[in-house]
Amino acid sequence: DSGVTQTPKHLITATGQRVTLRCSPRSGDLSVYWYQQSLDQGLQFLIQYYNGEERAKGNILERFSAQQFPDLHSELNLSSLELGDSALYFCASSVGKTGSSETQYFGPGTRLLVL
Amino acid sequence: GEDVEQSLFLSVREGDSSVINCTYTDSSSTYLYWYKQEPGAGLQLLTYIFSNMDMKQDQRLTVLLNKKDKHLSLRIADTQTGDSAIYFCAESPWGSQGNLIFGKGTKLSVKP
Repeated sequence: DSGVTQTPKHLITATGQRVTLRCSPRSGDLSVYWYQQSLDQGLQFLIQYYNGEERAKGNILERFSAQQFPDLHSELNLSSLELGDSALYFCASSVGKTGSSETQYFGPGTRLLVL
Repeated sequence: GEDVEQSLFLSVREGDSSVINCTYTDSSSTYLYWYKQEPGAGLQLLTYIFSNMDMKQDQRLTVLLNKKDKHLSLRIADTQTGDSAIYFCAESPWGSQGNLIFGKGTKLSVKP
């Protein structure tokens, strides 16, 4: 158990809908990262937040947004869902903000299926 | 461009050693990581190596780093059926600000 929690574990929804994925980082970690794992693209970095502020952005679509709250939990919002958004979404956390020298611990993931 | 390469499959017999190889592209990567993903589960950090090291040993795991060739390997000694999983190599280029770049993963199958 990494200490990172994600809810829900599974999510099934329809195209055009909007969903929210939630992540709680390990105790003491200030950075939260979101990754998407799909069969075609593999594991891709989406976005990082550090202590409530956006720190780095990767291949995140404009239909997707995230935020980190004062209690450090984070939410990833996915809107106007398409079939291709079906994937496993991971949250990771680390202590600091300099991601390239930080060890990231991953949650169990949320499996999203868009029908 | 940024690309981490791994072979997709590896099959070994229980008790043998497994060696999973990875090549990365960014020589600025400060740390290189190995993660394990079991079926239906999340990513578990197995080990990592700092870029100024050549080797790191952690119980049954040995990581070798060849910076000149940008080659990373993970050796699992005395491989067990419980080691069957997908193993991901990841690099963290300096300046990426948190962007872990993953390989596609190597699926390790351990036969009894």
